[in-house]
Amino acid sequence: GIQVEQSPPDLILQEGANSTLRCNFSDSVNNLQWFHQNPWGQLINLFYIPSGTKQNGRLSATTVATERYSLLYISSSQTTDSGVYFCAVEDTGNQFYFGTGTSLTVIP
Amino acid sequence: ETGVTQTPRHLVMGMTNKKSLKCEQHLGHNAMYWYKQSAKKPLELMFVYNFKEQTENNSVPSRFSPECPNSSHLFLHLHTLQPEDSALYLCASSYGGVGGELFFGEGSRLTVL
Repeated sequence: GIQVEQSPPDLILQEGANSTLRCNFSDSVNNLQWFHQNPWGQLINLFYIPSGTKQNGRLSATTVATERYSLLYISSSQTTDSGVYFCAVEDTGNQFYFGTGTSLTVIP
Repeated sequence: ETGVTQTPRHLVMGMTNKKSLKCEQHLGHNAMYWYKQSAKKPLELMFVYNFKEQTENNSVPSRFSPECPNSSHLFLHLHTLQPEDSALYLCASSYGGVGGELFFGEGSRLTVL
């Protein structure tokens, strides 16, 4: 299967700071998603981004499929951004592979 | 409000109990999934149903038994579980069959005593 590595594993930010989360994957993928897992356990869809760049408010994501990585940018972080961010890729056989996540803590 | 609803949100059961987890999706999707999330581990795929037919059983022990009566509902029947089965169980769905964008429910946190 595809190996998905996320970095950093843990991140602590002061409120208002910016950050970049990275997702590397080991093989060609059909699709890539970014999720935010809230404290209650739900995985919230952030981006469905097999390639290119998308923006949604303070968040944006860029996937460079040819180089097998994706970046999630969080600007002007807020305490509500705390949680775990997961990257998931879908291979050409419609199998999904998840990374182990980046745990983000935003302190006021 | 989520398009994928899971009940119960929390469940505590003994090793000899029989219980069920329920998932319902209101998105018109055709594929549904069960994932297991244990601490500090990636999400583990358990089962996949595509148009009500099971297409994936990822070497899951028989003490976990899935049921998909229609494309909107998915159950996970639990019996004679072990303490190491304690985890967050997540249901997901996707449109147009297996693959594509996944949408998750809030999860059912299971504790086996």
